[in-house]
Amino acid sequence: ELKVEQNPLFLSMQEGKNYTIYCNYSTTSDRLYWYRQDPGKSLESLFVLLSNGAVKQEGRLMASLDTKARLSTLHITAAVHDLSATYFCAVDNSNSGYALNFGKGTSLLVTP
Amino acid sequence: EAGVAQSPRYKIIEKRQSVAFWCNPISGHATLYWYQQILGQGPKLLIQFQNNGVVDDSQLPKDRFSAERLKGVDSTLKIQPAKLEDSAVYLCASSLDLAGHEQYFGPGTRLTVT
Repeated sequence: ELKVEQNPLFLSMQEGKNYTIYCNYSTTSDRLYWYRQDPGKSLESLFVLLSNGAVKQEGRLMASLDTKARLSTLHITAAVHDLSATYFCAVDNSNSGYALNFGKGTSLLVTP
Repeated sequence: EAGVAQSPRYKIIEKRQSVAFWCNPISGHATLYWYQQILGQGPKLLIQFQNNGVVDDSQLPKDRFSAERLKGVDSTLKIQPAKLEDSAVYLCASSLDLAGHEQYFGPGTRLTVT
């Protein structure tokens, strides 16, 4: 069974600060995804990481993938209140029909 | 391009009642997924269809849950009878095909079982 662990599960940070969310997964996967979910809303795709060493950036968020360590990071630079949300990482695998296996999510609160 | 549509958006039922959810995937998407998201957790796959065939239903509680995608387009997920622990958001997602294409999620149906 493919397991995905995120940490921290809860994160409160001040505006302007930097922080990193970590995502570990247990077995080889084909792709790693980062999603954002606002309260009461569905999942919004942020990044899809395909290969070892992949790095993608969008605004204040940057995601990276190390397939050898089975680790992805989501780095937040100079946080702003609008980034407050829950962030999920997920991996897929051809052995499971490419269905997504999600972590428990990181609930991020950015305060003034 | 229209996204994944789901209805209803909210449903409140009593335990032991039945309920059905509907999903219309993005046009042309062959693969359809139903996920269950319990409050405070990540989504968990219930069932996956490729056209009108089931790819994976290993995590579907088949004693009470059923799903179909008869014409390979729309899908319905049914719970009968519902239990308190079925309270969750039910998310439908679709992708172009099985081969690792990105999944697009619908708005979800929030079910409360009292």
